Amino acid sequence: EPEVTQTPSHQVTQMGQEVILRCVPISNHLYFYWYRQILGQKVEFLVSFYNNEISEKSEIFDDQFSVERPDGSNFTLKIRSTKLEDSAMYFCASSGLTGDSWVETQYFGPGTRLLVL
Amino acid sequence: RKEVEQDPGPFNVPEGATVAFNCTYSNSASQSFFWYRQDCRKEPKLLMSVYSSGNEDGRFTAQLNRASQYISLLIRDSKLSDSATYLCVVRGFGNEKLTFGTGTRLTIIP
Repeated sequence: EPEVTQTPSHQVTQMGQEVILRCVPISNHLYFYWYRQILGQKVEFLVSFYNNEISEKSEIFDDQFSVERPDGSNFTLKIRSTKLEDSAMYFCASSGLTGDSWVETQYFGPGTRLLVL
Repeated sequence: RKEVEQDPGPFNVPEGATVAFNCTYSNSASQSFFWYRQDCRKEPKLLMSVYSSGNEDGRFTAQLNRASQYISLLIRDSKLSDSATYLCVVRGFGNEKLTFGTGTRLTIIP
């Protein structure tokens, strides 16, 4: 079964450093997303991406964040200058019709656990 | 009011029992509804979509009441492997963002 993959699985960084989280969405999907989940809290939407541009972003997705699809397979989230409160699990998702479902469904990658010290 | 509201639990239920979760959502424009399952420190995984007519997938039954903005999930004959956090999720049109509830934690006791 096709799946979303993410690298790295864990990342530890110093406050103020830049990090890039990488994702490979499911190959025939066209919509891509980043979500985050702070430990003990709910999953929160960050940004959606379609046709090489941002289609929607949340209040969390400020100027410190950017997304890119540098080639035909990767989808990246960059945090320019990390803060302590950026520590969270970051999930990439892609959306499409998969299997026998007639509903566009978002499938999540395993996540990158980011710890900012 | 929270966009998607769920009882956080925990629900501790003996193996073989039936358990029901409820969820309410505030945005009447929501179009699609889902239950996702999340194991500890893992990604959310789609359990089932929820349709207006109600739908069943094996031991799992989901119901949607648009008038009351209420979604439910029923798990029959619960197994130890059902222990997880169950996330109620709503979406607007098409490929818009997902809005998650905080989740309901379920533990099945042998």
